Amino acid sequence: DARVTQTPRHKVTEMGQEVTMRCQPILGHNTVFWYRQTMMQGLELLAYFRNRAPLDDSGMPKDRFSAEMPDATLATLKIQPSEPRDSAVYFCASGPTDPSEAFFGQGTRLTVV
Amino acid sequence: AQSVTQPDIHITVSEGASLELRCNYSYGATPYLFWYVQSPGQGLQLLLKYFSGDTLVQGIKGFEAEFKRSQSSFNLRKPSVHWSDAAEYFCAVARYSSASKIIFGSGTRLSIRP
Repeated sequence: DARVTQTPRHKVTEMGQEVTMRCQPILGHNTVFWYRQTMMQGLELLAYFRNRAPLDDSGMPKDRFSAEMPDATLATLKIQPSEPRDSAVYFCASGPTDPSEAFFGQGTRLTVV
Repeated sequence: AQSVTQPDIHITVSEGASLELRCNYSYGATPYLFWYVQSPGQGLQLLLKYFSGDTLVQGIKGFEAEFKRSQSSFNLRKPSVHWSDAAEYFCAVARYSSASKIIFGSGTRLSIRP
């Protein structure tokens, strides 16, 4: 059963610490999305990649957030330094190229104290 | 820029009653349209999608949606809801081109009255 795998599922960290979230997309999918979900803002698109290249990361705060795909089986989202306002659920999703659709992972619930 | 509006934040319907969740999109060309469902503590699951062709789309769990270009709408319907349908529902839109970013609406929370 193909699925998007995210680790960790939960993370509690102190303000100022670095946080790295990982995502394994579905094998064969070459589009990867990162979303952030909060009560106030809903689902926000942070970044998305095609064939490991970033296509759009305009939704991501550049000063502290970075997203990469070191290889086709791994996508990472890093926050350094983390702040309490970063507390949210971060979802990774992957999809085939055309037509595009997104298959979501279970999310990483991040709490920054 | 593409955008999605879900005008209803929260809807409560009785079990067995029919359901319609509204979605309006803004995009200048033919969009890709989606409905996703999210149960508490879970990721989003695709219910159905519209890319082209028949404007009435059938999805999983007995859901359907109708694309109406003249109204820029893509409303989700179910003839008879079950208690297990209680969840958050998201409408989403993407540009009609490959590897397009998918933009989500703010969601509609569905509660089921016994």
